[in-house]
Amino acid sequence: ETGVTQSPTHLIKTRGQQVTLRCSSQSGHNTVSWYQQALGQGPQFIFQYYREEENGRGNFPPRFSGLQFPNYSSELNVNALELDDSALYLCASSLRAPGGETQYFGPGTRLLVL
Amino acid sequence: SQQGEEDPQALSIQEGENATMNCSYKTSINNLQWYRQNSGRGLVHLILIRSNEREKHSGRLRVTLDTSKKSSSLLITASRAADTASYFCATSGGGGADGLTFGKGTHLIIQP
Repeated sequence: ETGVTQSPTHLIKTRGQQVTLRCSSQSGHNTVSWYQQALGQGPQFIFQYYREEENGRGNFPPRFSGLQFPNYSSELNVNALELDDSALYLCASSLRAPGGETQYFGPGTRLLVL
Repeated sequence: SQQGEEDPQALSIQEGENATMNCSYKTSINNLQWYRQNSGRGLVHLILIRSNEREKHSGRLRVTLDTSKKSSSLLITASRAADTASYFCATSGGGGADGLTFGKGTHLIIQP
């Protein structure tokens, strides 16, 4: 157990809808990263938040947005859902400090877009 | 886009044998990490090796890093059925915490 939790575990949406996924970081961690993992692929970096500000972004369009709260919990929002957004969404928390490169992953939210 | 490529894509061995997986990457890195994933669940961190290290051990795991060849290997000795999972290498280019770049993974099956 990493201490990172995500909700919901599964979600079904239809194309064009909006979705919010939630993540609670491991205690003491100040950084959260979000990843998208399509079936049979490795996770792809969406973005990272540090002290409530976006601090790095992968190759994802602006309809993918996020928030980090003062208690270091986080949300991933996806607008105008497309079929290709169907994937496992993983959040990972870490500590921005020397030696803090390890990211601790939650169990993921599996999103299906119909 | 994927930074690294694991090789092989799939590996099936008998319990008790050793399993070796390889990872190649494209750009300079700060560190390289290996993660395990069981059946589409969250990733579990296995081991981290920094760019100035060549070899690292953790229990039954041995990781090597060759920055001149931009490659790494993960060796699991005396495999067990519970080692059946997908294994991913992930690279980090910056200092501190930043986004990891993963390969496509090696699916390892340990046959009892």
